[in-house]
Amino acid sequence: AQSVTQLDSQVPVFEEAPVELRCNYSSSVSVYLFWYVQYPNQGLQLLLKYLSGSTLVKGINGFEAEFNKSQTSFHLRKPSVHISDTAEYFCAVSAAAPNSGGYQKVTFGTGTKLQVIP
Amino acid sequence: SQTIHQWPATLVQPVGSPLSLECTVEGTSNPNLYWYRQAAGRGLQLLFYSVGIGQISSEVPQNLSASRPQDRQFILSSKKLLLSDSGFYLCAWSVIWGNTGELFFGEGSRLTVL
Repeated sequence: AQSVTQLDSQVPVFEEAPVELRCNYSSSVSVYLFWYVQYPNQGLQLLLKYLSGSTLVKGINGFEAEFNKSQTSFHLRKPSVHISDTAEYFCAVSAAAPNSGGYQKVTFGTGTKLQVIP
Repeated sequence: SQTIHQWPATLVQPVGSPLSLECTVEGTSNPNLYWYRQAAGRGLQLLFYSVGIGQISSEVPQNLSASRPQDRQFILSSKKLLLSDSGFYLCAWSVIWGNTGELFFGEGSRLTVL
């Protein structure tokens, strides 16, 4: 079984300040890792993903995340936030489901609402 | 390029009425298709997924059903809605070959059951 924990349900931060949104996961097998962003009343949009290779992953809108296998973490960071970054952010892990012929089971965290204060 | 559309965007229905939400994917063939429900503070709950026409897997027992009548069409239905069915419903697709679990989401459908 796999799980994802986003401990912070809400993160307020002033405009142009740095931000880190935390994500920890557990899994007994190798995983792929994702961050999605959701603006109000919209679907989710992929920010970035870790599949393999370099543990520092860069995504859209100036976000980046670092995969730390020993700490089972995939924290999302941005050095300077803008008002337009106000949204909800979801961390997700994906792993091959056993005996599924390649189906990937995706588990989402409960989300972190980032509120950028002018 | 691939696109995914779902409708209606918003729906207000009385308890006990039927439901039909539709989702269509364009620009790709043989996608995996998914229905998620999002409740406030609870993240995304996978309701159904499909790896092919007529192949539906249910993740949780519930008042809803899903069907895939065509390769790129996914429908979420209910015969009689409950208050607890209210929420934001998201359709998504992924590739089958080389699937990493990356999902592409529709715009969502907000259902309010009164």
